[in-house]
Parts: sequence; C-alpha cells; structure tokens
Amino acid sequence: DIQMTQSPSSLSASVGDRVTITCRASQGISNYLAWFQQKPGKAPKSLIYAASSLQSGVPSKFSGSGSGTDFTLTISSLQPEDFATYYCQQYNSYPLTFGPGTKVDIK
Amino acid sequence: EVQLLESGGGLVQPGGSLRLSCAASGFTFSSYAMSWVRQAPGKGLEWVSAISGSGGSTYYADSVKGRFTISRDNSKNTLYLQMNSLRAEDTAVYYCAKFGVVGAQAPDAFDIWGQGTMVTVSS
Repeated sequence: DIQMTQSPSSLSASVGDRVTITCRASQGISNYLAWFQQKPGKAPKSLIYAASSLQSGVPSKFSGSGSGTDFTLTISSLQPEDFATYYCQQYNSYPLTFGPGTKVDIK
Repeated sequence: EVQLLESGGGLVQPGGSLRLSCAASGFTFSSYAMSWVRQAPGKGLEWVSAISGSGGSTYYADSVKGRFTISRDNSKNTLYLQMNSLRAEDTAVYYCAKFGVVGAQAPDAFDIWGQGTMVTVSS
C-alpha cells in the first residue's frame, strides 16, 4: 500500500497569510494526487485533482504542485472561511490512501 | 445540481449488520464509478470500497474485505454498502463519493461527496 504523510500536522496562521502544506507519498504516484478541505462536522470538499488542477468552483487562491512523491498545497491569502483541516489523497492505485491531515487554525 | 444523499446509518450491536444507501441525482449515475469513505470520530479519512459504473468491478480496503459488500442499482441511481460482522472499530461517519471522470476504470479523483451517515457499533 502507498503511505501518505503530511507536514505540518497543524499550523496557526493569520488572515492574509500565505500557507503551504506538504504531502509525501511512500512511492511515486505521478500526478495522481488530490486535496480536500474539511470543516468540523461537515463532509470533505474536493479542492484539487491531478496534483494541480482546481475542481470546478474552487477559488484560485488555492494551488497545488508536485509530481512523483512530493506535493504541496498553497493558499495564497488565508481568509476566515479557509480555517479547516486539509487532506491529501493518492489515487494512483488501490487501496486509495489519505494523508493524516493538516489542521489550519487561527493565530 | 449534483447531489449524493446517504441514509441507513444507526446503532448496531457488534456482530450485527447494516445496509447503507446513497441516492444520487443530477448526473448520469451509471457513467461514474462510486466509492465509500469513512471517518471515525476525531480521526482522519479512510477509504473503504469502490465500484465501477457498471458494477462489474469492485475494490475493498483490507480492513473490510470479506465483511462489507459494495453494490449499485443503476435503475434506481443508488449506491449501497452492505456491512456484516460489524466491529466497534467500524464506528464512523460513512460518506459516499463520486469519481470525477466518465467511465473511469482505474482509480480516479473524487469530485462530489455526500453529507455522510453515522454508524455506531456498540453493545
């Protein structure tokens, strides 16, 4: 199975900050990497697929990059609605696997 | 509007069974592979199972293989998860999720998620 790790596990940031989250796969997954946002008590929301493509309706302040084993999610200017937990997930092969999540909260 | 609506969750004793349903609307259901993902209280996301658009191919996490069965009824636009021999560690919110590419045979990215249904396994 492909293991996914994320760093940091949590971070505190201020409104307007640029935030970067890192995701690493235990083996190469090309660009078969997705990012999700989840707020407390809510379902996950799909943000990015194919490592860098925005899902429909997702604002351009979110961006993704990477290929192979190392990936990043960047939020260019953090807004109050962006405080949430972010998960990466590989879909290169079954079983699909998620990273443990990065919680972004208010400084 | 594309929507997924799960139902069927509840409280069940260890060793018991439960069937979850996910009603889909707003898209051509039979053209898309579908999946179940769960989240234990206070924990991260765990993929459970997936099924092709035709229903001919199914995939399972090792943690549920042999106990859970995924299926679909394309005439009813509904996805199912039959859960048998339930254990305390199966306690979670169960989400159904739609894969984004029409006719995907290989794994694909999720684009739409349901709101989830809670399953509690306890005596």
